Amino acid sequence: GAVVSQHPSRVICKSGTSVKIECRSLDFQATTMFWYRQFPKQSLMLMATSNEGSKATYEQGVEKDKFLINHASLTLSTLTVTSAHPEDSSFYICSSDSGGEQYFGPGTRLTVT
Amino acid sequence: AQSVTQLDSQVPVFEEAPVELRCNYSSSVSVYLFWYVQYPNQGLQLLLKYLSGSTLVKGINGFEAEFNKSQTSFHLRKPSVHISDTAEYFCAVTDSWGKLQFGAGTQVVVTP
Repeated sequence: GAVVSQHPSRVICKSGTSVKIECRSLDFQATTMFWYRQFPKQSLMLMATSNEGSKATYEQGVEKDKFLINHASLTLSTLTVTSAHPEDSSFYICSSDSGGEQYFGPGTRLTVT
Repeated sequence: AQSVTQLDSQVPVFEEAPVELRCNYSSSVSVYLFWYVQYPNQGLQLLLKYLSGSTLVKGINGFEAEFNKSQTSFHLRKPSVHISDTAEYFCAVTDSWGKLQFGAGTQVVVTP
């Protein structure tokens, strides 16, 4: 099946700094990628839909100025958490559709101290 | 809009015993249904999916699920679990390709 990678797998940053997370489709082209957030012992919540070459679509309640999404190529989408705070600590997962099936990245564990 | 309800937050089960994880959904349109498994600190792996056709769907690792439209359910079953099946299981629904709505998850704990 298709492979989606994420980098980094885990990151620790200080409060007030920004962190960039990369999501790559390794063996297929992804015009659309999805970003999810998962708090401990909770389900995945869709944050935004990333569209190649156009603006991302954010879900209700997700601050677009805080969670910047860039989808500049057919194989790469990035999520930048700006001015991170401890409450942004979470597991961030991306996914993309290939052949009618969603493929998920391995996730990025963000810890803001 | 759709929603997904997983009725059990945690299911303890002995090794080699059967397990059933319950999932109910609500939607005003036709949906596609999925079950995913998540191991600690990892992404999601697709176990099986229902798109159309036969209501009994077989997936990987010996799992199967049955789509019941009248009861709006998509319960997941395995006749004999292994220790390695200890994980979090998510039921998900979508009415179009892409945006998935996930249930709250069911933690399966298999003990010897």
